Amino acid sequence: DVVMTQSPLSLPVTLGQPASISCKSSQSLVYSDEKTYLNWFQQRPGQSPRRLIYKVSYRDSGVPDRFSGSGSGTDFTLKISRVEAEDVGVYYCMQGTQWPYTFGQGTKLEIK
Amino acid sequence: EVQLVESGGGLAQPGGSLRLSCAASGFSFSRNYMSWVRQAPGKGLEWVANINLDGSEEKYVDSVKGRFTISRDNTKNSLYLQLSSLRAEDTALYFCARDPYVVTDNVAYGAFDIWGPGTMVIVST
Repeated sequence: DVVMTQSPLSLPVTLGQPASISCKSSQSLVYSDEKTYLNWFQQRPGQSPRRLIYKVSYRDSGVPDRFSGSGSGTDFTLKISRVEAEDVGVYYCMQGTQWPYTFGQGTKLEIK
Repeated sequence: EVQLVESGGGLAQPGGSLRLSCAASGFSFSRNYMSWVRQAPGKGLEWVANINLDGSEEKYVDSVKGRFTISRDNTKNSLYLQLSSLRAEDTALYFCARDPYVVTDNVAYGAFDIWGPGTMVIVST
């Protein structure tokens, strides 16, 4: 199975400051079609997860442009340019390149 | 409105069974793969099972293989998860999620874009 490793697991951030979450996979996430199936989800407290980013860098409609995804191969990053209060929650990366689908452990973002 | 609503959770004894359901509305159910994802109390997300468009292909995480069965009824816009031989470690909030099938790429890749609120399963004596 592909192991997804996120860091940090806890991320205290001051409002208005940037934040960055790393996600590393144990194997390349490049599929046979040469596309990379790495997705990011946000789970606010008490809510269901919500997709933010798919295929590494495609941001969902309705997701603020302060969120961006990047990376390739085995190394990926989710960045928030300026953290707002509504960004509090847990962020998960997830690979869909290989079965079984696997999630990272989650990164808990909190406001300092 | 596009939505998924799970039901069927509850308390089960170790070794027991439950059947979860997920009702889909507001989108073309038969044109999407579907998955179940679970979250143990205070823990992270774990993908559990996936089913293709017509139900002919199923995928499972190793920990539930042989115990859980995913199925769908496209005539009823419904997804199911039959849970058997339940263990304490199956205690979790179970979400159903839409796994969009990309026609141009002939692939679904876990880009879960719609999630239900979840249904809680507790396995305990």
